[in-house]
Amino acid sequence: EIVLTQSPGTLSLSPGERATLSCRASQSVSSSYLAWYQQKPGQAPRLLIYGASSRATGIPDRFSGSGSGTDFTLTITRLEPEDFAVYYCHQYGSSPPITFGQGTRLEIK
Amino acid sequence: EVQLVESGGGLVQPGRSLRLSCAASGFTFDDYAMHWVRQAPGKGLDWVSGISWNSGSIGYADSVKGRFTISRDNAKSSLYLQMNSLRAEDTALYYCAKVVLRFSPSDAFDIWGQGTMVTVSS
Repeated sequence: EIVLTQSPGTLSLSPGERATLSCRASQSVSSSYLAWYQQKPGQAPRLLIYGASSRATGIPDRFSGSGSGTDFTLTITRLEPEDFAVYYCHQYGSSPPITFGQGTRLEIK
Repeated sequence: EVQLVESGGGLVQPGRSLRLSCAASGFTFDDYAMHWVRQAPGKGLDWVSGISWNSGSIGYADSVKGRFTISRDNAKSSLYLQMNSLRAEDTALYYCAKVVLRFSPSDAFDIWGQGTMVTVSS
């Protein structure tokens, strides 16, 4: 099973700043089958990035994904108030089992 | 509009069974693999099970293997999760989710339902 470890656990930033979220895998993620989701309280997760770097439909270009192998990054340039939420990484290359990271909470400083 | 609507959750005693359903609309259900993902209160996302577009490939998390059964009825555009021998640790909000690409064996989840809550307690 591939274990995904996200860091930091909580990130405190101000609107307009840049956020960098990390996801590290215990083994190489095949074919960069790595996705990122945003979840707000009381809502279902929303797909942001798939294939490590492809933005999902309707996702603003301030969201970008990068990385390969075992190290992946979600970057949000110029944080908007609506971006403060919990973010999860997800690997689907070695399935089953599909696995998720434990989440990074992005909070307003 | 592409939509997934889960139902069937509720309060159930340990050891009992429950069947969840997920009704899909707005897309060609037959063409897409589907998954169940759960989230315990205040916790992260936990993949439960997935099924390919034609039911030819099925997978389960170790924590539910032998107790849960995923299935689909393409004629009814519906996904199911039969949950037997329920435990307190199965208490969670259960989401169904659709994959991004048609006929893809491994893929991200682009459409999620709003979830149905399962509470296992005596």
